[in-house]
Amino acid sequence: AQSVTQPDIHITVSEGASLELRCNYSYGATPYLFWYVQSPGQGLQLLLKYFSGDTLVQGIKGFEAEFKRSQSSFNLRKPSVHWSDAAEYFCAVGARSGGSNYKLTFGKGTLLTVNP
Amino acid sequence: DGGITQSPKYLFRKEGQNVTLSCEQNLNHDAMYWYRQDPGQGLRLIYYSQIVNDFQKGDIAEGYSVSREKKESFPLTVTSAQKNPTAFYLCASGRQSANQPQHFGDGTRLSIL
Repeated sequence: AQSVTQPDIHITVSEGASLELRCNYSYGATPYLFWYVQSPGQGLQLLLKYFSGDTLVQGIKGFEAEFKRSQSSFNLRKPSVHWSDAAEYFCAVGARSGGSNYKLTFGKGTLLTVNP
Repeated sequence: DGGITQSPKYLFRKEGQNVTLSCEQNLNHDAMYWYRQDPGQGLRLIYYSQIVNDFQKGDIAEGYSVSREKKESFPLTVTSAQKNPTAFYLCASGRQSANQPQHFGDGTRLSIL
């Protein structure tokens, strides 16, 4: 069964600083990987996704993520954080769950606080 | 605009009462999902449905029930058997494939009176 680990529960950065959120996955086949962002009391918004090909993927809001198969990682990065980036971030892996069924497995999330 | 609508945004349940959370989508997606979110727990899958009139249990289905009579609708009932129902519930939909992202509603927060 697939699993996702986000090692950092809470990260605090200063506005304008760079950001890296870690994600490690466990899955036996080629993974389909996603990063979502959630503002308080809201649903999840897709930031970016990786299926195949170029291991560096670009997303919305200036985010990017790099897939490293050798490290089973899919870390999210942003060169300069804005105060509006404060939110909770979830990494997820998509996989077949039996027959023609598919589901996402989520990490437990990383809460990002941005200091002025 | 296409999207997913969850209602109500806030819901209160009395002891021994069943309550139903609504989820409607107009994205023409085949698959729909219900998740429960608790602080520090991430999202846990309750039920999912890939086609009309068919659904599967997720990781924490006990105390919940669903139906999928229409492609657009996937209501979730929190039964009295669910002893700890206080949580944030999220509905999602997507295309029937592992490499397709899911699209989420804005959630329903359920509390016990």
